[in-house]
Amino acid sequence: AQTVTQSQPEMSVQEAETVTLSCTYDTSESDYYLFWYKQPPSRQMILVIRQEAYKQQNATENRFSVNFQKAAKSFSLKISDSQLGDAAMYFCARAAGNMLTFGGGTRLMVKP
Amino acid sequence: EAGVAQSPRYKIIEKRQSVAFWCNPISGHATLYWYQQILGQGPKLLIQFQNNGVVDDSQLPKDRFSAERLKGVDSTLKIQPAKLEDSAVYLCASSFVAGIQETQYFGPGTRLLVL
Repeated sequence: AQTVTQSQPEMSVQEAETVTLSCTYDTSESDYYLFWYKQPPSRQMILVIRQEAYKQQNATENRFSVNFQKAAKSFSLKISDSQLGDAAMYFCARAAGNMLTFGGGTRLMVKP
Repeated sequence: EAGVAQSPRYKIIEKRQSVAFWCNPISGHATLYWYQQILGQGPKLLIQFQNNGVVDDSQLPKDRFSAERLKGVDSTLKIQPAKLEDSAVYLCASSFVAGIQETQYFGPGTRLLVL
């Protein structure tokens, strides 16, 4: 099975600091997209950022950016200037073929 | 723009009972997905619809799970009979069209507890 792996079950960061969440994936597809989704406690999942595999430039969205290493099949999420509202489960996901496959998630805690 | 709506939000049933979940996608979204999210895990796709046709149901346990999207808008997911291991959050998502570049928009989920 083609998998998405998030090796950090939990991470914590001090408010205003920077944190990086890791994700690795495998795929046999040449054309695919990668996503980071955020799922706050008891709230619905929302898209944080996405990356097209054919683009070498790393995607950025305000305080969120990715480090996409295609050869290594690595797709990490960097959150700068962390805020209390960033506390949530973060899921890395890969879209290939018809399917969106999620990793197991990383719980991010933000300390005031 | 209204988001993806799901009901009920919570459901508690006993094993061997049946249960149904409802989803209303974002207006104009042709593609609808049902996911199962077991506690501590990422969502797993159960079934994908394009309008009222099934695109992928390879991971749907068809002996007990069924889903339909008769008019290409709302969808229902049914479990009959439920097992203890079906306890999970059932997420509905929709996208404008099917495609790997499409952002999926998720509903709040239905939390199912099977006793």
